[in-house]
Amino acid sequence: GAVVSQHPSWVICKSGTSVKIECRSLDFQATTMFWYRQFPKQSLMLMATSNEGSKATYEQGVEKDKFLINHASLTLSTLTVTSAHPEDSSFYICSAALQPTVSPLHFGNGTRLTVT
Amino acid sequence: AQKITQTQPGMFVQEKEAVTLDCTYDTSDQSYGLFWYKQPSSGEMIFLIYQGSYDEQNATEGRYSLNFQKARKSANLVISASQLGDSAMYFCAMREGLGSGGSNYKLTFGKGTLLTVNP
Repeated sequence: GAVVSQHPSWVICKSGTSVKIECRSLDFQATTMFWYRQFPKQSLMLMATSNEGSKATYEQGVEKDKFLINHASLTLSTLTVTSAHPEDSSFYICSAALQPTVSPLHFGNGTRLTVT
Repeated sequence: AQKITQTQPGMFVQEKEAVTLDCTYDTSDQSYGLFWYKQPSSGEMIFLIYQGSYDEQNATEGRYSLNFQKARKSANLVISASQLGDSAMYFCAMREGLGSGGSNYKLTFGKGTLLTVNP
């Protein structure tokens, strides 16, 4: 079945530094990937839609300069949290779907970010 | 207004019994899809079952079935013969507009239900 790989699974960084999270579709091409954020015991909130070869589309309230998304190939999207602060600590999870059929989103295993 | 409502923050069920997790949705689209995902404490999101708005039969996948009542806009998940490994968060989600464009894969999630299976 379709597999989405996300790396790293957890990261601890200091305030002011940047962190890059990778999301790869392992056995299918994904022209579109989605980045979600989840606070403890809460639901998944869509942050942005990552489009291969073009700019990402950000949801209202998400700072595009803070959360840089790059979708340089059909199998890789990256999310960079720039100048991280403790309030950015969260669980970040990416997802992708097989194209062009109607199919469920497959999710990576998520990245737990802790900013100290 | 919330698009996906899960009214049960937590549910308890005895092992081997069946349990129903509630989900109601709100959309004006004619074409939409409803999904259930399971999230164990490890964090990964596991796809369980899908129901399309035009599907006349309720979806079933092994021990999972979806009780789809379109007029009531509800899509409850039924887990039969609960197992200890079923203890997890369960999220109902909706995708509006069943086009083939990438943006139409965007999912909106409910707040989730934490299911605990007791031995």
